[in-house]
Amino acid sequence: GENVEQHPSTLSVQEGDSAVIKCTYSDSASNYFPWYKQELGKRPQLIIDIRSNVGEKKDQRIAVTLNKTAKHFSLHITETQPEDSAVYFCAASTNSGGYQKVTFGTGTKLQVIP
Amino acid sequence: GAGVSQSPRYKVAKRGQDVALRCDPISGHVSLFWYQQALGQGPEFLTYFQNEAQLDKSGLPSDRFFAERPEGSVSTLKIQRTQQEDSAVYLCASSARTGLNSPLHFGNGTRLTVT
Repeated sequence: GENVEQHPSTLSVQEGDSAVIKCTYSDSASNYFPWYKQELGKRPQLIIDIRSNVGEKKDQRIAVTLNKTAKHFSLHITETQPEDSAVYFCAASTNSGGYQKVTFGTGTKLQVIP
Repeated sequence: GAGVSQSPRYKVAKRGQDVALRCDPISGHVSLFWYQQALGQGPEFLTYFQNEAQLDKSGLPSDRFFAERPEGSVSTLKIQRTQQEDSAVYLCASSARTGLNSPLHFGNGTRLTVT
């Protein structure tokens, strides 16, 4: 099955700096890569996603890049703000018997220091 | 409803007790997933329903875990004879369609503590 690795596990940045989180996946059949943000005690929420036929996608301060050849994808947050502090999960989705099976990374705890 | 609803929010069970966790997905959502999230880890897939059919239960850790969605809406995850290693947050997610690019909408989860 799919295996998703995520680095780093923790990340501290000064407010206004950029943050980068990197993930790798193992199954070349994966073709959809969502990113979720989970604040303490709350539900994971989708913040951005990318399909395998796209190399980069941007939404305001958040961008995601995908390298299918190398099987890795990254989340970039620019001009970080304290409210960006949360745990971020990458995920890879594979079409498995007619439905999408989503495998998550282990998470990155981002702390933005004011 | 506005989103995926799970109950109870917290559950404490003595080792050996049975528990039942409920998930109300977004109305009309075809797909329903259960995930287990251990402390400091990412969600781990447990099982998947497409309407009332359980198409994948490959992630259920043992035969003590059982899930159902009899009418294709509300789902229940049941854990029999709970063990300490079952302590985790159990997340339910639904999506409108079965195909790719259909985002998962998560509930707030049920935090299960087995003492």
